[in-house]
Amino acid sequence: DAGVTQSPTHLIKTRGQQVTLRCSPISGHKSVSWYQQVLGQGPQFIFQYYEKEERGRGNFPDRFSARQFPNYSSELNVNALLLGDSALYLCASSFASGQGTSGSLHFGNGTRLTVT
Amino acid sequence: SQKIEQNSEALNIQEGKTATLTCNYTNYSPAYLQWYRQDPGRGPVFLLLIRENEKEKRKERLKVTFDTTLKQSLFHITASQPADSATYLCALPNAGNNRKLIWGLGTSLAVNP
Repeated sequence: DAGVTQSPTHLIKTRGQQVTLRCSPISGHKSVSWYQQVLGQGPQFIFQYYEKEERGRGNFPDRFSARQFPNYSSELNVNALLLGDSALYLCASSFASGQGTSGSLHFGNGTRLTVT
Repeated sequence: SQKIEQNSEALNIQEGKTATLTCNYTNYSPAYLQWYRQDPGRGPVFLLLIRENEKEKRKERLKVTFDTTLKQSLFHITASQPADSATYLCALPNAGNNRKLIWGLGTSLAVNP
C-alpha cells in the first residue's frame, strides 16, 4: 500500500504570494493533519480534518486554511506568504479522529516551502 | 500550556553501545506518549507509544519507559548501529485537545562505527 503522499516536494514562492499544498492519506485513513516544521524544531500542529470536517486548529493566523475532500485527500492553503512561512509542511494520516490514540500518525515526507 | 524538553545537544555514541534519550514534560500528565524517528528531509516515522498505566514498552532493540511521577520518558536503543543515526522526537497529546500533539525539539543521535 502506498504511504502518505504529498505534492509538490519543493516549492519556492515570493512574499505575498499564495500556495496550495496537497496530501493523499493512506488508503482507509479518514483523518488528515497538517504540521509545520521549521528547521531544528519539532512539528507544530496546524489543522486536523476528519470525515471532511475540521476537528482541530493550532495557533496559526487566518492566512492558513485547509479542507478535506470526499476521497479524504486534503489541501493546505497559505495566503499572503511571509518569509517566516518557510518550513517543511508535513501531512499525517490516521484511521481515527483522536491523534495517536489508536497507535500512530503516518507522515508523508513533506513539502519544503521556501519564501523569498 | 504543556511543554516538552528533550536533550538539546546531539548524542554521539559508539556502535554496539546503548543510546538513552530523555523526554521531560511539564504540567499535566498525558494519557500516552509517543516516540518518532526523523531522517533529514523526511517525515517522522512512528516507533512506539506508551500509555500512562505502562511503565515500560519494548520493540526489538527499542525500549521506552514512562515515569508519571518524574514526568519523564526515557528511550533506549540497545546494540546501536550506524543506521540508527537520526533525530528522535517525543510527542504527547495537548491537554484538553487530544487531536493536537505537542512535540519536543528532538535529539540528534549519531552512532559511530
